[in-house]
Amino acid sequence: QITLKESGPTLVKPTQTLTVTCTFSGFSLSTSRMGVGWIRQPPGKALEWLALIYWNGDKRYNASLKSRLTITKDTSKNQVVLTMTNVDPVDTATYYCARSSGWSLLFDYWGQGTLVTVSS
Amino acid sequence: NFMLTQPHSVSESPGKTVTISCTRIIGSIATNYVQWYQQRPGSSPTTVIYEDTQRPSGVPDRFSGSIDSSSNSASLTISGLKTEDEADYYCQSYDSSNVIFGGGTKLTVL
Repeated sequence: QITLKESGPTLVKPTQTLTVTCTFSGFSLSTSRMGVGWIRQPPGKALEWLALIYWNGDKRYNASLKSRLTITKDTSKNQVVLTMTNVDPVDTATYYCARSSGWSLLFDYWGQGTLVTVSS
Repeated sequence: NFMLTQPHSVSESPGKTVTISCTRIIGSIATNYVQWYQQRPGSSPTTVIYEDTQRPSGVPDRFSGSIDSSSNSASLTISGLKTEDEADYYCQSYDSSNVIFGGGTKLTVL
C-alpha cells in the first residue's frame, strides 16, 4: 500500500523559512524513474506545482519560485523535504506531496495535504 | 513557460454528457502527455485520466480523454453524469523543465 503524508508547521510568520516534510511508504525513491513532487493549493484556488525530485537526485523547480525553493530527499528515511524561504501571506496554502512514477509526470498517489498559514 | 487554459465552470444535468477542455498556450498539446485529476471538496486530487487517454483501474468508463491537435487542446468527457461527479477537474502536463496545472474547472451536476 502506497501512502504519503505531509508534516510541518501550521503557522509561519512572514519572511521566515517554511519547511515541510513528506514521509512515504510502499515504494522506494531509489527505484528508477520514481519521483516525489510538491504541489500547493491556496484556499479556493488552483493547484500549483512547486518542485520535483527524482530517484537519481535530479531536481526540477517551478521557475517563478525557484530562487526560494529547495527540495531534498533522504532515501533511507523515505522522506522528501521542501524548504521555502522568505514566505509571504500569498504562500498560505495546502501543501501536497505526491508520487510521480514513469516518464509521463503523472502524480499517481497524493498525500492528504497540510495547511500552512503565513501570518504575523 | 507554457500555460493550460480551462473553462472556469461547467454544468449539466444527471445522465447527460459533459466535455471539459484544456487548451495549451505555447507548444503542442501532443508533445507531452496530459493527465486529468478530480478533486472533491476537502479531498486530495485523484487521477481520472492519464497519458492523454488512459483510465486508471477503478475509474468508470464513463470518463474518457482525448487530444485534438487542430485546437491544441485536450478534453475530458464524462458521460452518464452522476451527482457524485460534481467536483473540480484539473488538467496537467509538462515540458523538459516544468509541470503545469490548468486553472481547474468546477463541474456542477444539477
